[in-house]
Amino acid sequence: EAGVAQSPRYKIIEKRQSVAFWCNPISGHATLYWYQQILGQGPKLLIQFQNNGVVDDSQLPKDRFSAERLKGVDSTLKIQPAKLEDSAVYLCASSQGGGTYNEQFFGPGTRLTVL
Amino acid sequence: AQSVTQPDIHITVSEGASLELRCNYSYGATPYLFWYVQSPGQGLQLLLKYFSGDTLVQGIKGFEAEFKRSQSSFNLRKPSVHWSDAAEYFCAGGGLTGGGNKLTFGTGTQLKVEL
Repeated sequence: EAGVAQSPRYKIIEKRQSVAFWCNPISGHATLYWYQQILGQGPKLLIQFQNNGVVDDSQLPKDRFSAERLKGVDSTLKIQPAKLEDSAVYLCASSQGGGTYNEQFFGPGTRLTVL
Repeated sequence: AQSVTQPDIHITVSEGASLELRCNYSYGATPYLFWYVQSPGQGLQLLLKYFSGDTLVQGIKGFEAEFKRSQSSFNLRKPSVHWSDAAEYFCAGGGLTGGGNKLTFGTGTQLKVEL
């Protein structure tokens, strides 16, 4: 089966610009996650969707980050305006259900560099 | 607060030697614990998971981990390391947090394998 797809794989922007990342989860997976992985740290959950509804966005910096999952399939994460500290790898993951016991499958990530 | 700690940032072992990567957790109740591996430019891949039952868990690629409640540990082991095991390893914990599936990741251990 096809895995989680993400694009672009790499993005370089200047601070105060905007950027968007796209994720297509594994077919049939109801739950989708966006993580931020800063160099030298483990991934940190930004937002979790169950179908097209938000389950947890407590760690999403809502003044500059937004995410949507229209039609409960693919998802877009946007940063506007970007700051230097947003440089990180943004990982998308999906799982069949929302319980902790459901394995999360990760995409390859988008590496963002903010200059 | 729930947390996962990986005390070793870098570990170097010789090919064929045994490996143990440490992970300590802090959770109020029995946690769900996971080990993931991340190769350069790749997403995270699940090696194994512990939910309940037998405290010795077998995973993929010859890895195993042992849950020790008395020590709040979930260390990852492999009896004989292969050069292809060089990667970054993340321990993660999850729990029954309001019905979500939030994973808390450790900061990772970078494994180098000497030939």
